[in-house]
Amino acid sequence: NAGVTQTPKFRILKIGQSMTLQCTQDMNHNYMYWYRQDPGMGLKLIYYSVGAGITDKGEVPNGYNVSRSTTEDFPLRLELAAPSQTSVYFCASSYSEADTQYFGPGTRLTVL
Amino acid sequence: DQQVKQNSPSLSVQEGRISILNCDYTNSMFDYFLWYKKYPAEGPTFLISISSIKDKNEDGRFTVFLNKSAKHLSLHIVPSQPGDSAVYFCAASARSGGYQKVTFGTGTKLQVIP
Repeated sequence: NAGVTQTPKFRILKIGQSMTLQCTQDMNHNYMYWYRQDPGMGLKLIYYSVGAGITDKGEVPNGYNVSRSTTEDFPLRLELAAPSQTSVYFCASSYSEADTQYFGPGTRLTVL
Repeated sequence: DQQVKQNSPSLSVQEGRISILNCDYTNSMFDYFLWYKKYPAEGPTFLISISSIKDKNEDGRFTVFLNKSAKHLSLHIVPSQPGDSAVYFCAASARSGGYQKVTFGTGTKLQVIP
């Protein structure tokens, strides 16, 4: 029972590079989320999805894009990496919007 | 604007004693509250929750208390165990723009000393 998986675990990017953070869940959850956690801060919602083909912005969407072509996958795209995007990124999923969220192990991203 | 505040970044407690983690919120529209626990290099995991219609919810060693008039939430762990050492996030949710939005606090790092 894998739950929510994220790849990669760690990544170092140069300013201006792009990358995609992968997130997959095997619980058939409709809702999926991307958060970032900066040092000493809580989790900030970047984007969320209520089902395949439906996504919406969270609190801090600038500099990111998402897509949701399947129920299982919810990749997060950084087009032009900036040092301000250095953070730990968590993907989560839930059965419904009011339900408990299940988190992946996180991706630690450093932009130099 | 930090709507969910955990004012204590860290807490140390002796094994076997009670750990009390506190959380304050400012948005009176919050109607559901949760606590998550996070170990290093792992994602947060759900611990316990409480609806705004209740003032207490208990699950084994963990009890969450809600004081709506004071907009205050607390998590009690009794007895504390070394395995409870982790970062604890308080979270609160309210419907916003057609979506049940969850807002997280900044976390309290609990250390249980054997």
